[in-house]
Amino acid sequence: EVQLVESGGGLIQPGGSLRLSCAASGFTVSGNHMSWVRQAPGKGLEWVSIIYSGASGSATYYADSVKGRFTISRDESKNALYLHMDSLRAEDTAVYYCARTPPAAGNYFDYWGQGALVTVSS
Amino acid sequence: EIVMTQSPATLSVSPGERATLSCRASQSVSSNLAWYQQKPGQAPRLLIYGASARATGIPARFSGSGSGTEFTLTISGLQSEDFAVYYCQQYNVWPTFGQGTKVDIK
Repeated sequence: EVQLVESGGGLIQPGGSLRLSCAASGFTVSGNHMSWVRQAPGKGLEWVSIIYSGASGSATYYADSVKGRFTISRDESKNALYLHMDSLRAEDTAVYYCARTPPAAGNYFDYWGQGALVTVSS
Repeated sequence: EIVMTQSPATLSVSPGERATLSCRASQSVSSNLAWYQQKPGQAPRLLIYGASARATGIPARFSGSGSGTEFTLTISGLQSEDFAVYYCQQYNVWPTFGQGTKVDIK
């Protein structure tokens, strides 16, 4: 059974850093494109970042709103996905979901984690 | 960036009736369009991909149509568990989502 479990969320001051983790089971993160998608309180969904599968070169891409501040990575030995977030702003406050793109498919998302809440506030 | 616009913002429907949700793209996305359902406190759930293909385990009362810039999600015979927020998402280029349509009980 495919499962994604996020951790690492919390309250952080503006300008601070935080790392989110997403533990995967039932499939290998390196075999799929993996993304982070966020949802501000009471708002819609915003794609944040993607890391392509190993077979596709492991390229990474970011939304303009986080480029230069966030870094996506994965650890094959732990079968985990990460999002390192620097220079956090109030507008980064959101629930962050990790999500899987199905194999050999376009960048839609067939499995999602339960989400990790990040609150940026002084 | 491709902007996705959903209408209406809220749709009030009686159980057993049909709900028709619309999604428009600011430029053509071919058939690279997905629909998700989200209930309060839960992650989104994939319903439709490729504009019209149902995801695994999705009941036949959910159907998608359209291509290019105009798309529709139809829910036939609404059941109590279908009252939720629905999002469209294009994946022709970097993913972008619509702002959502809330389907509530009339």
